[in-house]
Amino acid sequence: GIQVEQSPPDLILQEGANSTLRCNFSDSVNNLQWFHQNPWGQLINLFYIPSGTKQNGRLSATTVATERYSLLYISSSQTTDSGVYFCAVEVGGNEKLTFGTGTRLTIIP
Amino acid sequence: DAGVTQSPTHLIKTRGQHVTLRCSPISGHKSVSWYQQVLGQGPQFIFQYYEKEERGRGNFPDRFSARQFPNYSSELNVNALLLGDSALYLCASSRDSPYEQYFGPGTRLTVT
Repeated sequence: GIQVEQSPPDLILQEGANSTLRCNFSDSVNNLQWFHQNPWGQLINLFYIPSGTKQNGRLSATTVATERYSLLYISSSQTTDSGVYFCAVEVGGNEKLTFGTGTRLTIIP
Repeated sequence: DAGVTQSPTHLIKTRGQHVTLRCSPISGHKSVSWYQQVLGQGPQFIFQYYEKEERGRGNFPDRFSARQFPNYSSELNVNALLLGDSALYLCASSRDSPYEQYFGPGTRLTVT
């Protein structure tokens, strides 16, 4: 099956800093999503981005499908950005999301 | 519009018992998927249903089963519970595949 690796596994930053999270996948995909999981376990949709670039406020994401990676950018970090960030992919004809290994982000005031 | 809802929020069961978890999708969504998330790991796919038909099944034992009702809500059933079934169970809905999936708040199951 498809392999999804995220880096770095852990990231600790001061409030106000910028960060880049990476997601590498081993096969062509027809769906890629980024999620933020809050301390209560809720998975919050950030981006649906099988290809191209999107921006939403302080967050943006880029997926280069031909090179099999996606990047999530967080600018001017806030303490509420803390949590685990997952990318998840769906391969054509395989009706499921395969989640990456996650990046745990901690923002220090 | 309401998001994906799940019930119950928390559940404590004893080994060997049976459990039923429930999920209501976003209005207009016909696909429901179930995932299991063990502490410290990413969610793992269990089942997907679309228009009441099973479309996909993950690598889980036959103790796990699910169904989807005419109103597109869904149940996940787990028989003969084991300690290792303790996890957060997440339900997701989408219009179809490979459209964007939206997750509910989850049911936290503890097996003692």
